[in-house]
Amino acid sequence: QSALTQPASVSGSPGQSITISCTGTASDVGGYHYVSWFQQHPDKAPKLIIYDVFNRPSGVSDRFSGSKSGNTASLTISGLLAEDEADYYCSSYTSRTTQVFGGGTKVTVL
Amino acid sequence: EVLLVESGGGLVQPGGSLRLSCVASGFTFSDYWIHWVRQAPGKGLVWVSRITTEGGGADYADFVMGRFTISRDNAKNTAWLQMDSLRVEDTAVYYCARLKLHGGGSYGMDVWGQGTTVTVSS
Repeated sequence: QSALTQPASVSGSPGQSITISCTGTASDVGGYHYVSWFQQHPDKAPKLIIYDVFNRPSGVSDRFSGSKSGNTASLTISGLLAEDEADYYCSSYTSRTTQVFGGGTKVTVL
Repeated sequence: EVLLVESGGGLVQPGGSLRLSCVASGFTFSDYWIHWVRQAPGKGLVWVSRITTEGGGADYADFVMGRFTISRDNAKNTAWLQMDSLRVEDTAVYYCARLKLHGGGSYGMDVWGQGTTVTVSS
């Protein structure tokens, strides 16, 4: 199972919006509504910020939003804050009943 | 407080074995699937394995198939990852995470442990 494709890095200035893409295939991202996004700060465990494509867990800022079109899912961070600087990973259920992660995107707040 | 706590990591020689534990507290363990995810030093997250609520279904990433075995005991609120025939490339922090299904999908891997470090080296 190949990893989902994410850009290695994305940057933006405080207050701006950025979007991270996550490209898979019809056997994972395109075939299911089960895409999640995780935020990970250095030396910390991952934190779920989006599940089932666009749902936010309780307590997660509404500055984070998710969407999907075809085989590509996207995470948008609006009103970028310094605390949003972290690594972000997408994940999807697959047709083999396994799970697959993206390679990760480092977000830098300029 | 809802918690997952991993343990059992350590230094092991290539070809050796380790058994990781994931102990849950603060929630109904039997309502959740348990996933294991690993992260090699400086690298990204990689899914390893998952087990269903009653332990009747398990899946594995291709690179651990036949070497790792996932299991659970709901009476002990514990899941395990038995790792045999370990390789240098299995060196990573191993996390367990919970996931609950609902009618139309899941609530995602919403709680993660702090991770346990496995180092495979001679």
